[in-house]
Amino acid sequence: EPEVTQTPSHQVTQMGQEVILRCVPISNHLYFYWYRQILGQKVEFLVSFYNNEISEKSEIFDDQFSVERPDGSNFTLKIRSTKLEDSAMYFCASSPNRGSHYEQYFGPGTRLTVT
Amino acid sequence: AQSVTQPDIHITVSEGASLELRCNYSYGATPYLFWYVQSPGQGLQLLLKYFSGDTLVQGIKGFEAEFKRSQSSFNLRKPSVHWSDAAEYFCAAAGNQFYFGTGTSLTVIP
Repeated sequence: EPEVTQTPSHQVTQMGQEVILRCVPISNHLYFYWYRQILGQKVEFLVSFYNNEISEKSEIFDDQFSVERPDGSNFTLKIRSTKLEDSAMYFCASSPNRGSHYEQYFGPGTRLTVT
Repeated sequence: AQSVTQPDIHITVSEGASLELRCNYSYGATPYLFWYVQSPGQGLQLLLKYFSGDTLVQGIKGFEAEFKRSQSSFNLRKPSVHWSDAAEYFCAAAGNQFYFGTGTSLTVIP
């Protein structure tokens, strides 16, 4: 069964450094998403991406964040200058079509630790 | 504001006992509703979803959920819990975005 994959599974970085989190969505999916889950808190929407542009973003997704689909398979989340509060689990998701009636398929997550 | 509430942070049940996990939503209209399960170190796996129609929906792993509009609830149930069901369970409501609850951690004791 096709699945969303994410690398690395755990990333440790120092405050102020740039990080890139990578995701490979399911191959025939068209919509891609990033979420984050701070330890002990709810999963929060960050951004959705379609047709090589951001379709929606939350207030969390500020100028420190960017997303890119550099090739036909990868979908990346970049945090330009990490802060301690960026420490969280980051989930990538994809769906075959737009519309909330299409469920999103989630990857296993990347745990980001900012020290 | 749109939100999903899971009142129970942690639930412990005995193996073989029945289970009900609560979920309430606050939305302008009836949202699409989902239950996801997250095992340690794993991603979020869809258990079931409700879009319209029959208010009792069946999912994978023997789970079911009932949508009650009058109570703005979408509670997850399982008649007999297995040890492998121990995990974190998230209710979600979807409009333009997914809104997740804070999750309920399920412990199953033998």
